[in-house]
Amino acid sequence: GIQVEQSPPDLILQEGANSTLRCNFSDSVNNLQWFHQNPWGQLINLFYIPSGTKQNGRLSATTVATERYSLLYISSSQTTDSGVYFCAVSLGAGNMLTFGGGTRLMVKP
Amino acid sequence: DVKVTQSSRYLVKRTGEKVFLECVQDMDHENMFWYRQDPGLGLRLIYFSYDVKMKEKGDIPEGYSVSREKKERFSLILESASTNQTSMYLCASKQGAYGYTFGSGTRLTVV
Repeated sequence: GIQVEQSPPDLILQEGANSTLRCNFSDSVNNLQWFHQNPWGQLINLFYIPSGTKQNGRLSATTVATERYSLLYISSSQTTDSGVYFCAVSLGAGNMLTFGGGTRLMVKP
Repeated sequence: DVKVTQSSRYLVKRTGEKVFLECVQDMDHENMFWYRQDPGLGLRLIYFSYDVKMKEKGDIPEGYSVSREKKERFSLILESASTNQTSMYLCASKQGAYGYTFGSGTRLTVV
């Protein structure tokens, strides 16, 4: 099956710093999503981005499908950005999402 | 907003017990999913259902079964719980190509 690797596995930032999270995948995909899991376990969809670039406030994401990677940018990080960020992909209609191992982010005040 | 509710936040069960994890969604979504989450492994799909009484195996179905008798409810069953099934279990529902909504999870400990 498709392999999804995320880096770095852990990241500690000072509030206000910027960061880039990376997701590499092993095959062409029709669906790529970024999720944030807050410290209480709730997963929220951030972006649906099989290709191109999207921005939502301080977050933006870019997927280069031909090179099989996606990047999530967090600017001016805040303590509320802490948690785990997951990249997930699927080859087809999106039913069988395959998740990466996640990047655990801690933003210190 | 779509709401996905998992019946228990924390659960402790004994080895060999039959365990039921319940999930209910309130927006008439056709697709529902059960994932387990383990550190460093991300989320792995156990089973999903695309309609009442319909189910498909995910990546790690061994030791689990599911039931979907009504559209809003999707149950995960551990027939005989084992310690290696200690994990966080997440339910999700989906409408369209990418509109996933997750429940807040059930942390199951098997002793």
